[in-house]
Amino acid sequence: EAQVTQNPRYLITVTGKKLTVTCSQNMNHEYMSWYRQDPGLGLRQIYYSMNVEVTDKGDVPEGYKVSRKEKRNFPLILESPSPNQTSLYFCASSKDRQENQPQHFGDGTRLSIL
Amino acid sequence: GNSVTQMEGPVTLSEEAFLTINCTYTATGYPSLFWYVQYPGEGLQLLLKATKADDKGSNKGFEATYRKETTSFHLEKGSVQVSDSAVYFCALSDPNAGNNRKLIWGLGTSLAVNP
Repeated sequence: EAQVTQNPRYLITVTGKKLTVTCSQNMNHEYMSWYRQDPGLGLRQIYYSMNVEVTDKGDVPEGYKVSRKEKRNFPLILESPSPNQTSLYFCASSKDRQENQPQHFGDGTRLSIL
Repeated sequence: GNSVTQMEGPVTLSEEAFLTINCTYTATGYPSLFWYVQYPGEGLQLLLKATKADDKGSNKGFEATYRKETTSFHLEKGSVQVSDSAVYFCALSDPNAGNNRKLIWGLGTSLAVNP
């Protein structure tokens, strides 16, 4: 089954404790992206990747890192999480850079930073 | 800049009622337009899309027509079911965004359908 898998689904942690949210897709998609979803602000892009070893900032990259060492994986790293990073996070992928390609989303990761 | 405006919710309907969720956009060029749905506790799923003016996207009884003259992409369904209860998001993909296939999102419209 074609899917985007995120882990963990839920995480409660404390300020400053490094964490990684994993994202993996099994569709051989070139393009991957991370969004955060906040009430009243909607979905905002954090980082994106056009292919292996090619990543770039989205609209709200501060406090986050990503890597794309393999085509299927695109982890989101919070080196020193802070409470303002409490949010619902979504990983997405699409076949290529064509703008009419739909994006496929994971089920989301709800992070609470205390 | 590019933006998407959706009607505010929540929208509450009885089963078999007609649904319209309004979506208008501001964009340079000719974006592709999408409706995504988020069921409780799940991720975002593509509902339908339209890639050029006058295209009609349809899926699961939902329809939306890309209206360039009114910059709109309203979502409609003739007869809603309880299982349609979810949050619906209108989004656009800017063809002029270079290599970034970022989606610009509306804030979502919550729909509750009562039996």
